[in-house]
Amino acid sequence: EPEVTQTPSHQVTQMGQEVILRCVPISNHLYFYWYRQILGQKVEFLVSFYNNEISEKSEIFDDQFSVERPDGSNFTLKIRSTKLEDSAMYFCAIITRSNTDTQYFGPGTRLTVL
Amino acid sequence: QKEVEQNSGPLSVPEGAIASLNCTYSDRGSQSFFWYRQYSGKSPELIMFIYSNGDKEDGRFTAQLNKASQYVSLLIRDSQPSDSATYLCAVKGNFNKFYFGSGTKLNVKP
Repeated sequence: EPEVTQTPSHQVTQMGQEVILRCVPISNHLYFYWYRQILGQKVEFLVSFYNNEISEKSEIFDDQFSVERPDGSNFTLKIRSTKLEDSAMYFCAIITRSNTDTQYFGPGTRLTVL
Repeated sequence: QKEVEQNSGPLSVPEGAIASLNCTYSDRGSQSFFWYRQYSGKSPELIMFIYSNGDKEDGRFTAQLNKASQYVSLLIRDSQPSDSATYLCAVKGNFNKFYFGSGTKLNVKP
């Protein structure tokens, strides 16, 4: 199974602060995704990348969110001015070039906004 | 808005029984359907996918798809306590965007 790592595993922040979540997918991925899952709710699509460019954004992915590839190998999800309702699990996921049927998820980052 | 609906459960079955999980979707043009298992606090892991009408079997798992009824199901035979988890149904839409249901919690009682 392709390796997808995420850091940190748990992030606690104060309301109004900025957080940066990181994901390192294997190099041969074709698509890259960020998802959010509020406790007890469904996995929600945030944004996807294809060929190193944003291909789709959800209505959730507003100006509060941004994504970057700071060094070409990992992805970051920045949440500006966090709100209590941003508390959730954030997952990254990939589809590889060798198996376009399967989406592999990273272990997730639990974000707690106090 | 593409919707994927699942009964939230919990669905309780005794060990060794067949667990039947159901999912409906709103977009008639959907072509690819996925079942994920998610343990509490963990990320979703793919169990199986199905594209064609009918049944697809993989070990103790069978996925069933009926595109005319916009219905996909997952059967788990010989259920084990380790199968206790939340099962997520997902549908792949345009531009490889995935839509997830809210999941059905399965409890397998020893």
